[in-house]
Amino acid sequence: GNSVTQMEGPVTLSEEAFLTINCTYTATGYPSLFWYVQYPGEGLQLLLKATKADDKGSNKGFEATYRKETTSFHLEKGSVQVSDSAVYFCALNPSGANSKLTFGKGITLSVRP
Amino acid sequence: GAGVSQSPRYKVAKRGQDVALRCDPISGHVSLFWYQQALGQGPEFLTYFQNEAQLDKSGLPSDRFFAERPEGSVSTLKIQRTQQEDSAVYLCASSLAVSAGGGDTQYFGPGTRLTVL
Repeated sequence: GNSVTQMEGPVTLSEEAFLTINCTYTATGYPSLFWYVQYPGEGLQLLLKATKADDKGSNKGFEATYRKETTSFHLEKGSVQVSDSAVYFCALNPSGANSKLTFGKGITLSVRP
Repeated sequence: GAGVSQSPRYKVAKRGQDVALRCDPISGHVSLFWYQQALGQGPEFLTYFQNEAQLDKSGLPSDRFFAERPEGSVSTLKIQRTQQEDSAVYLCASSLAVSAGGGDTQYFGPGTRLTVL
């Protein structure tokens, strides 16, 4: 079946530090890959996505590249801000159908001033 | 409205009570999804509608869970005879469903936090 594995958290960084959050997946075919973010007190919102191999999704300074050879979709940001403190979820949507998302467990990021 | 709305935002039920959770998707969105999110976990799929048709209910944990979307817009998730293990945040999401490739963005509501005592 489909699955998403995220690195263990929580992660605490100082402002302006470099961020990497690892995500690997297991799926048949060519899934679409997503990063969702949940800010404190708010609902899940899409951060970025990639729908085919070697695509790079980007938004708000975050980037992730769809690597089929390593089945990975790691999230990176060159310089984090306090406002990036949130829970980050990696997710996949199987190929060939508009269907359910499979999520990872999520990781909490705290950025201190 | 501008986004997906859910009501109530919080629900406390005594064990054995029935509850009904409502979702108003974004206007014009064909697909509607329900997810369950336990504390400290990622959302897990419950069920999926395309217009009024329930195409996938494989994630519903038991026959106490029932969902409907009779007119292809508003959806209700009903849980009968609630148990403590039903305590979770229930999320609704909708998407346009114009792509067959799985890349459509799902837009999530704020969720309903259900606590069963």
